Formats: sequence, structure tokens, C-alpha cells
Amino acid sequence: QSALAQPASVSGSPGQSITISCTGTSSDVGGYYLVSWYQQHPGKAPKLMIYDDSKRPSGISDRFSGSKSGNTASLTISGLQAEDEADYYCCSYAGSVTPVVFGGGTKLTVL
Amino acid sequence: QITLKESGPTLVRPTQTLTLTCTVSGFSLTTSGVGVGWIRQPPGKALEWLALVYWDDDEVDDDERYSPSLKNRVTITKDTSKYQVVLTMTNMDPVDTATYYCVHRRAGGWYFDYWGQGTLVTVSS
Repeated sequence: QSALAQPASVSGSPGQSITISCTGTSSDVGGYYLVSWYQQHPGKAPKLMIYDDSKRPSGISDRFSGSKSGNTASLTISGLQAEDEADYYCCSYAGSVTPVVFGGGTKLTVL
Repeated sequence: QITLKESGPTLVRPTQTLTLTCTVSGFSLTTSGVGVGWIRQPPGKALEWLALVYWDDDEVDDDERYSPSLKNRVTITKDTSKYQVVLTMTNMDPVDTATYYCVHRRAGGWYFDYWGQGTLVTVSS
């Protein structure tokens, strides 16, 4: 069982917006500004999409945005495109002893 | 340009020890805070963080962190001169079958901005 809870699947039509949630505790998601999100297409390595809760790496579309409220972080994808269909994983810093925890992943289907 | 590449056996027998090597380029393993870690993904399942090593200027030494669920089985070391980071996992079991990724951690950050292509390790007799 993963440390962070994500919905197993979400779906949306092209052009729509979707939000993927990531729920943890005050010891991880809620305790630091250090949530990251990764996109993984089948057979490929994950790709960093969001870091430090809401920052985008260079080259990542501004259609991707991150936010957080309490112990729940969210990834929002606006203007859905077919190429956004992938698995998405959240990740959080969780303290100096066990610094990294992942979510169970969410499969995004673009209808 | 930062790159990471995993290498090692594709098949391991149960109870054997797995040794994976990550060869990096485009950055130094002695830069303060820069880290290299390992993350695995069983077929069809989620990502699981395993271990991380980074240079700690305050301690003037490498700092290692491990997943508590695997801490007794996993060791991470680095060879600065060879630009390599090695993951050792003892007492392999079929449930350890997974794609193992080597990842780069930016100094001061707790995220992984570069990933290797991954290497599939199958544990089977």
C-alpha cells in the first residue's frame, strides 16, 4: 500500500480540465512545500512535471499546474490533449529519516 | 547534459544478491547536495523509492537514505572517480521483479529531475 493516496483513474475529453488528488498526512504532503508530480507513458521512464508543490520545470507546458491545501496536493491539467494520456504519480518529502514517498499512481484517460 | 544509465543483470535467482550500477554524466557526484537515487516499479504497479546518496558538506561525508521497508537489504554507494552509483540488494525474491530506475536529485531539492531509461530485473529460478 502506497503512502500517498491517489485515485486509480480519471478521465476527460479533449479541451477539458481534470484534477488529480494526492492525499497524505501532516508528516509528508502537509508538512512541507515539497510535492512533485511525474508523468509516465507506457514503457517509458517517468518525467518530472511539477516540483515544490507548484513549480514547473523548464519546457513543461503551463497547462500543467500544481496546488495544495492541507494534506492534499493536486495536479490540474487544462486543455486536455490526447498526448496527456498517461499515468501520473505524486511524490512528497516525508522527513529526514525516510525522505521520499510516492502515491499509488493515477491513470489518465483522454476520451 | 545530464544522463544516467543503469546496468546489471536482467535475471537473478531467488536468495541471490542484486548489484546494479548507475553511470552518470553531465554532473559531479561531489557537488554539495546533488544526489543519485534508485526507484523501482514492479510490472503494472506503482513507483517505489529505494535509496538515495548525496554529498553533505556539513558532514563532509556522503549521506545515505533508505526506504524503511528495505533498509536491511539495500546498500547504496558511489564511486566518484568512475561517476558511478551502485545499488546492492540482498536476498532477492520474485516480488522484487521490477524495472529499476536511477535518478538525479537536484541540490537542495526533494524531487528527481532526470531519470535513467530503467532496467528490468526478473527474479526467478
